[in-house]
Amino acid sequence: GESVGLHLPTLSVQEGDNSIINCAYSNSASDYFIWYKQESGKGPQFIIDIRSNMDKRQGQRVTVLLNKTVKHLSLQIAATQPGDSAVYFCAENAGGTSYGKLTFGQGTILTVHP
Amino acid sequence: NAGVTQTPKFQVLKTGQSMTLQCAQDMNHEYMSWYRQDPGMGLRLIHYSVGAGITDQGEVPNGYNVSRSTTEDFPLRLLSAAPSQTSVYFCASSYSKGYNEQFFGPGTRLTVL
Repeated sequence: GESVGLHLPTLSVQEGDNSIINCAYSNSASDYFIWYKQESGKGPQFIIDIRSNMDKRQGQRVTVLLNKTVKHLSLQIAATQPGDSAVYFCAENAGGTSYGKLTFGQGTILTVHP
Repeated sequence: NAGVTQTPKFQVLKTGQSMTLQCAQDMNHEYMSWYRQDPGMGLRLIHYSVGAGITDQGEVPNGYNVSRSTTEDFPLRLLSAAPSQTSVYFCASSYSKGYNEQFFGPGTRLTVL
């Protein structure tokens, strides 16, 4: 079946730097993408989403970029803080009959050093 | 609002035992779902429901049953637990099954011996 994967399993950055977390997806029918943050011992927390009719979407300190040509998704975190340390997951929804069914990637561990 | 709540937080079962993981939400969300998360992996969809009385299978439904008698509750039943079902289970809900943020519960860590 189709799957969502990540290029890098771990990412270490210094406080104040910008972070970029990447995600590759293989299902060309996917039309909705979400980034989640998961802190240790907690459930995933919604960060930002983007529909396939958009290339970029910005939130507070976060930006998601979607490149449908190469099936690539990225999450940019500006001025990364120690509180951003967590596992980040991308997820895709294929729409149509798969409406509402999310497929998650493996996750990237982000560690922010003070 | 309490959001999405799950009980218990931890559970240890012996092979062959049955149990029910509870999930409740107080946001009047139509859509609810159950995921399992195994070490080093993302979440995989077990079952989901688009409203009271309606359920459907996800990616890994075998060994699990669900029902949705009310909008608020979506219990997950393990009929005969197996070691392969050792995992962390998350319940999630959203206003609808479409382009909407899914809210996740805190999870239930299940160990099957």
